[in-house]
Amino acid sequence: AQKVTQAQTEISVVEKEDVTLDCVYETRDTTYYLFWYKQPPSGELVFLIRRNSFDEQNEISGRYSWNFQKSTSSFNFTITASQVVDSAVYFCALSEAHMYSGGGADGLTFGKGTHLIIQP
Amino acid sequence: EPEVTQTPSHQVTQMGQEVILRCVPISNHLYFYWYRQILGQKVEFLVSFYNNEISEKSEIFDDQFSVERPDGSNFTLKIRSTKLEDSAMYFCASSETPRQVYEQYFGPGTRLTVT
Repeated sequence: AQKVTQAQTEISVVEKEDVTLDCVYETRDTTYYLFWYKQPPSGELVFLIRRNSFDEQNEISGRYSWNFQKSTSSFNFTITASQVVDSAVYFCALSEAHMYSGGGADGLTFGKGTHLIIQP
Repeated sequence: EPEVTQTPSHQVTQMGQEVILRCVPISNHLYFYWYRQILGQKVEFLVSFYNNEISEKSEIFDDQFSVERPDGSNFTLKIRSTKLEDSAMYFCASSETPRQVYEQYFGPGTRLTVT
Protein backbone atom coordinates (compact mmCIF):
# COMPACT_ATOMS: atom_id res chain seq x y z
CA ALA A 1 0.00 0.00 0.00
CA GLN A 2 1.16 3.52 -0.66
CA LYS A 3 1.90 5.93 2.14
CA VAL A 4 3.17 9.48 2.49
CA THR A 5 4.77 10.72 5.69
CA GLN A 6 5.28 14.36 6.54
CA ALA A 7 6.89 14.16 9.94
CA GLN A 8 6.92 17.92 10.55
CA THR A 9 3.50 18.89 11.85
CA GLU A 10 4.32 22.56 12.19
CA ILE A 11 7.30 24.75 11.36
CA SER A 12 7.68 28.36 12.37
CA VAL A 13 10.42 30.57 10.96
CA VAL A 14 11.11 34.25 10.68
CA GLU A 15 10.67 35.91 7.31
CA LYS A 16 13.64 35.63 4.93
CA GLU A 17 14.82 32.38 6.47
CA ASP A 18 15.11 29.29 4.30
CA VAL A 19 12.90 26.37 5.25
CA THR A 20 12.72 22.75 4.10
CA LEU A 21 9.61 20.62 4.30
CA ASP A 22 10.23 16.89 4.40
CA CYS A 23 8.27 14.20 2.58
CA VAL A 24 8.95 10.47 2.68
CA TYR A 25 6.88 8.06 0.66
CA GLU A 26 6.29 4.32 0.37
CA THR A 27 5.15 2.51 -2.73
CA ARG A 28 5.57 -0.89 -4.34
CA ASP A 29 5.20 0.50 -7.84
CA THR A 30 8.19 1.37 -9.97
CA THR A 31 6.18 4.03 -11.77
CA TYR A 32 4.59 6.70 -9.62
CA TYR A 33 4.08 10.43 -9.36
CA LEU A 34 4.79 12.81 -6.54
CA PHE A 35 3.14 16.15 -5.91
CA TRP A 36 3.22 19.14 -3.62
CA TYR A 37 0.09 21.18 -2.94
CA LYS A 38 -0.29 24.36 -0.92
CA GLN A 39 -3.39 25.04 1.16
CA PRO A 40 -3.54 28.68 2.26
CA PRO A 41 -5.89 29.79 5.06
CA SER A 42 -8.64 30.30 2.47
CA GLY A 43 -8.77 26.52 2.08
CA GLU A 44 -8.24 25.79 -1.59
CA LEU A 45 -5.60 23.35 -2.79
CA VAL A 46 -3.01 24.93 -5.04
CA PHE A 47 -0.85 22.70 -7.21
CA LEU A 48 2.88 23.42 -6.92
CA ILE A 49 4.76 20.62 -8.65
CA ARG A 50 4.52 17.14 -10.12
CA ARG A 51 7.43 14.76 -10.49
CA ASN A 52 7.43 11.26 -12.01
CA SER A 53 9.52 8.45 -10.64
CA PHE A 54 11.85 8.35 -13.63
CA ASP A 55 12.91 11.95 -13.31
CA GLU A 56 15.22 12.53 -10.37
CA GLN A 57 16.35 15.93 -11.51
CA ASN A 58 15.91 18.56 -8.89
CA GLU A 59 13.73 21.47 -9.85
CA ILE A 60 13.84 25.14 -9.03
CA SER A 61 11.01 27.58 -9.56
CA GLY A 62 11.78 31.01 -8.22
CA ARG A 63 12.15 30.72 -4.45
CA TYR A 64 10.90 27.12 -4.48
CA SER A 65 13.03 24.07 -5.05
CA TRP A 66 12.44 20.36 -4.80
CA ASN A 67 14.89 17.57 -4.05
CA PHE A 68 13.75 14.12 -5.21
CA GLN A 69 15.87 11.18 -4.02
CA LYS A 70 14.65 7.70 -4.88
CA SER A 71 17.38 6.10 -2.77
CA THR A 72 15.81 7.52 0.37
CA SER A 73 12.22 7.71 -0.97
CA SER A 74 12.11 11.40 -0.24
CA PHE A 75 10.74 14.42 -2.06
CA ASN A 76 11.64 17.46 -0.01
CA PHE A 77 10.54 21.02 -0.65
CA THR A 78 12.63 24.08 0.16
CA ILE A 79 11.48 27.68 0.25
CA THR A 80 14.32 30.15 0.04
CA ALA A 81 13.99 33.60 1.59
CA SER A 82 10.56 32.81 2.98
CA GLN A 83 7.81 35.42 2.97
CA VAL A 84 4.71 35.86 5.12
CA VAL A 85 2.55 34.92 2.12
CA ASP A 86 4.16 31.48 2.15
CA SER A 87 2.30 30.72 5.37
CA ALA A 88 0.04 27.77 4.62
CA VAL A 89 -0.33 24.05 5.04
CA TYR A 90 1.76 22.15 2.52
CA PHE A 91 0.80 18.65 1.44
CA CYS A 92 2.95 16.08 -0.27
CA ALA A 93 1.02 13.47 -2.31
CA LEU A 94 1.68 10.27 -4.22
CA SER A 95 -0.07 8.51 -7.06
CA GLU A 96 0.75 5.06 -8.38
CA ALA A 97 0.39 4.48 -12.10
CA HIS A 98 -1.88 1.45 -12.19
CA MET A 99 -1.82 -0.38 -15.48
CA TYR A 100 -5.44 -0.15 -16.52
CA SER A 101 -5.96 -1.27 -20.07
CA GLY A 102 -9.08 0.75 -20.65
CA GLY A 103 -8.35 3.86 -18.68
CA GLY A 104 -8.97 4.48 -15.04
CA ALA A 105 -8.31 7.27 -12.66
CA ASP A 106 -5.78 7.17 -9.87
CA GLY A 107 -6.50 8.87 -6.59
CA LEU A 108 -3.82 10.78 -4.76
CA THR A 109 -2.56 9.68 -1.36
CA PHE A 110 -1.78 12.73 0.72
CA GLY A 111 0.49 13.16 3.70
CA LYS A 112 -0.86 14.82 6.84
CA GLY A 113 0.58 18.16 5.85
CA THR A 114 3.05 20.58 7.37
CA HIS A 115 1.71 23.84 8.74
CA LEU A 116 4.27 26.49 7.83
CA ILE A 117 4.16 29.74 9.74
CA ILE A 118 6.29 32.62 8.50
CA GLN A 119 6.58 35.35 11.09
CA PRO A 120 7.30 38.90 10.03
CA GLU B 1 -7.81 30.11 -16.98
CA PRO B 2 -10.29 27.22 -16.73
CA GLU B 3 -11.11 26.08 -13.23
CA VAL B 4 -13.12 23.52 -11.32
CA THR B 5 -16.13 25.01 -9.57
CA GLN B 6 -18.14 23.62 -6.66
CA THR B 7 -21.50 24.50 -5.18
CA PRO B 8 -22.49 25.27 -2.54
CA SER B 9 -19.46 26.64 -0.76
CA HIS B 10 -21.01 25.73 2.59
CA GLN B 11 -23.82 23.31 3.33
CA VAL B 12 -25.38 22.76 6.71
CA THR B 13 -27.60 19.74 7.15
CA GLN B 14 -29.16 17.69 9.89
CA MET B 15 -28.02 14.17 10.69
CA GLY B 16 -29.87 11.62 8.59
CA GLN B 17 -30.58 13.99 5.72
CA GLU B 18 -29.42 13.46 2.17
CA VAL B 19 -27.03 15.96 0.62
CA ILE B 20 -25.80 16.44 -2.91
CA LEU B 21 -22.56 18.26 -3.53
CA ARG B 22 -22.07 19.60 -7.01
CA CYS B 23 -18.99 20.10 -9.12
CA VAL B 24 -18.34 21.38 -12.62
CA PRO B 25 -15.02 19.97 -13.81
CA ILE B 26 -12.84 21.63 -16.42
CA SER B 27 -14.58 21.15 -19.74
CA ASN B 28 -12.06 18.99 -21.63
CA HIS B 29 -11.20 16.82 -18.65
CA LEU B 30 -12.37 13.21 -18.60
CA TYR B 31 -11.39 12.02 -15.14
CA PHE B 32 -13.10 13.17 -12.00
CA TYR B 33 -12.42 12.74 -8.32
CA TRP B 34 -13.84 13.46 -4.91
CA TYR B 35 -11.72 13.95 -1.82
CA ARG B 36 -12.60 14.95 1.70
CA GLN B 37 -10.67 16.74 4.43
CA ILE B 38 -11.88 16.56 8.00
CA LEU B 39 -10.98 19.80 9.76
CA GLY B 40 -7.28 19.93 10.57
CA GLN B 41 -6.53 16.58 8.99
CA LYS B 42 -5.12 15.33 5.72
CA VAL B 43 -6.91 15.20 2.41
CA GLU B 44 -8.36 11.73 1.78
CA PHE B 45 -9.27 10.19 -1.55
CA LEU B 46 -12.88 9.03 -1.85
CA VAL B 47 -13.56 8.03 -5.43
CA SER B 48 -12.53 8.48 -9.03
CA PHE B 49 -14.83 8.38 -12.04
CA TYR B 50 -14.27 7.85 -15.73
CA ASN B 51 -16.44 6.97 -18.67
CA ASN B 52 -19.57 7.10 -16.55
CA GLU B 53 -18.44 4.62 -13.98
CA ILE B 54 -16.44 4.46 -10.79
CA SER B 55 -12.81 3.74 -11.53
CA GLU B 56 -11.41 3.46 -8.03
CA LYS B 57 -12.77 4.01 -4.54
CA SER B 58 -11.38 4.05 -1.04
CA GLU B 59 -12.67 2.25 2.03
CA ILE B 60 -14.27 5.52 3.12
CA PHE B 61 -16.59 5.43 0.11
CA ASP B 62 -19.21 3.07 1.47
CA ASP B 63 -22.82 2.49 0.46
CA GLN B 64 -23.82 5.86 1.88
CA PHE B 65 -21.97 7.57 -0.92
CA SER B 66 -22.69 7.68 -4.62
CA VAL B 67 -21.45 9.68 -7.56
CA GLU B 68 -23.06 10.63 -10.79
CA ARG B 69 -22.49 12.64 -13.91
CA PRO B 70 -26.08 13.59 -14.66
CA ASP B 71 -25.25 15.69 -17.70
CA GLY B 72 -22.29 16.79 -19.74
CA SER B 73 -20.99 19.27 -17.22
CA ASN B 74 -21.89 18.37 -13.64
CA PHE B 75 -20.34 15.75 -11.38
CA THR B 76 -22.13 15.11 -8.10
CA LEU B 77 -21.43 13.40 -4.79
CA LYS B 78 -24.48 12.23 -2.85
CA ILE B 79 -24.46 11.23 0.79
CA ARG B 80 -27.67 9.37 1.49
CA SER B 81 -28.02 9.69 5.23
CA THR B 82 -25.47 12.05 6.71
CA LYS B 83 -23.69 11.34 9.97
CA LEU B 84 -21.90 13.76 12.25
CA GLU B 85 -18.56 12.35 11.12
CA ASP B 86 -19.34 13.31 7.53
CA SER B 87 -18.66 16.92 8.49
CA ALA B 88 -15.66 17.89 6.37
CA MET B 89 -14.48 19.88 3.40
CA TYR B 90 -15.22 18.02 0.19
CA PHE B 91 -13.01 18.72 -2.79
CA CYS B 92 -13.78 17.84 -6.37
CA ALA B 93 -10.91 17.48 -8.85
CA SER B 94 -10.52 16.71 -12.51
CA SER B 95 -7.69 15.78 -14.84
CA GLU B 96 -7.10 15.30 -18.54
CA THR B 97 -5.59 11.87 -18.16
CA PRO B 98 -5.50 9.24 -15.44
CA ARG B 99 -1.80 8.71 -15.56
CA GLN B 100 -1.01 11.87 -13.69
CA VAL B 101 0.86 13.13 -16.71
CA TYR B 102 -1.18 16.16 -15.97
CA GLU B 103 -2.05 17.29 -12.49
CA GLN B 104 -5.42 17.04 -10.87
CA TYR B 105 -7.05 20.44 -10.65
CA PHE B 106 -8.96 20.96 -7.44
CA GLY B 107 -12.09 22.99 -6.87
CA PRO B 108 -12.40 25.40 -3.95
CA GLY B 109 -14.28 22.84 -1.86
CA THR B 110 -17.67 22.55 -0.18
CA ARG B 111 -17.70 22.70 3.57
CA LEU B 112 -20.31 20.26 4.85
CA THR B 113 -21.50 20.69 8.42
CA VAL B 114 -23.75 17.96 9.84
CA THR B 115 -25.59 18.92 13.02
